[in-house]
This record gives sequence, structure tokens and C-alpha cells, in this order.
Amino acid sequence: SAVISQKPSRDICQRGTSLTIQCQVDSQVTMMFWYRQQPGQSLTLIATANQGSEATYESGFVIDKFPISRPNLTFSTLTVSNMSPEDSSIYLCSVGRQGGYEQYFGPGTRLTVT
Amino acid sequence: AQKITQTQPGMFVQEKEAVTLDCTYDTSDQSYGLFWYKQPSSGEMIFLIYQGSYDEQNATEGRYSLNFQKARKSANLVISASQLGDSAMYFCAMREGDDYNTDKLIFGTGTRLQVFP
Repeated sequence: SAVISQKPSRDICQRGTSLTIQCQVDSQVTMMFWYRQQPGQSLTLIATANQGSEATYESGFVIDKFPISRPNLTFSTLTVSNMSPEDSSIYLCSVGRQGGYEQYFGPGTRLTVT
Repeated sequence: AQKITQTQPGMFVQEKEAVTLDCTYDTSDQSYGLFWYKQPSSGEMIFLIYQGSYDEQNATEGRYSLNFQKARKSANLVISASQLGDSAMYFCAMREGDDYNTDKLIFGTGTRLQVFP
């Protein structure tokens, strides 16, 4: 299975500030996915990040609020901009296994906005 | 539109017993994949088991098995010999489309399983 790390693991931020979350994979992958899990809720896809091109955002998520970078095949960042308490969530990155069907998740970043 | 339904918000099971967590799905795609994940209180998502739409045999991984009934569009997770460490949220998910590496997952609302001694 892919080994995925995320930084930071958790953070408490003030409203109006921004936080950048890093996702590192131990192997090269085509696509990386960013999900959000609000408290007590299921996972919702924010965007899909492909190396060398603009990320593809799901309905309800915009680039100005959640800019994503994908500089190479093993790394991606998600920024949560101009945060409000409603952004308090777990943010998870995910990758598919090359040549396989599984999708693996990083350990998540638990964000609290005060 | 693709949809995943988990109708059991919570389930209780006694240690060493088997438990079935329900999942139904809706899709018009012929090719799709079904996943189960475990989420303990730490928040990480742990991959448990996968079933492809063309797989004729039910998937099994250790104590986990997936009861796949294609005509009924159900993909229930069976956990045998429950352990206290199985207490967690369990999510059913579906992959849209054919491309294993580029297609997103759609998740159900989850079932909280509690195993008691």
C-alpha cells in the first residue's frame, strides 16, 4: 500500500487566516484527491490534483478558497484560505494505487478555526 | 446520479460475534468499484476491502467479507469474530467510472459500530 503523510496533523487557527496542508506520498501517483470531513459528517471531495495542470474542483468548492498545488508526482498542498469556523474539519488527501484499484488515505489534518 | 446509502447510523455487536453493515448504491455505470473503510476516533481512513462490479466472487480480506448482490445493488460488509478494536465508524464508498487511478470516491454517511465485551 502507498505510504501517505500529511502535515500538520492538527492545527488551531484564527478566523481570517490561511493554512497550507501538505501531502507526501512514497511513490509516484497520477492523481491526488483532497477530501473534507466536517464534524460528524461523511467525506466530500474538494478537488482532484493532477501534476502539471490545474486542479479540478467539485461543485461548491472554488480555487480562491482552496488553492491546490501539485508540483510533482509525489507531493501536493491544499490551502484553506480566509478561514471561518465552518472550515473546521478533517482534511484528507488520497491516492490510488498504481496499477491497482485501492485508494489510500493520508492520516488527515484536523483543523479547528476559532 | 451516483449515490451510496448506509441506513444504519449505529450498530452494536458482542465481541466474537459476526456483524453485517448495510450498504446500497445507485449508479447507471456498468463498471464501478465498491469500497469499505474504517475510521477510528483518530480520524484516519483505513482501507478494508474492495469489490469490482465485474467480480463474480465476493471479496474477502481476513475477517472482512463483502456480500455483493449486484441485482439488488447492495454491498454489505460482514465482520466475523468481532474484536473490541473494531469499534469505529465504517464508510461504504463507490468509485465512478473505469479509471482506477483517476476517479473519485463517493461516500455514504457511515455506520458507527460499537463492540462490547
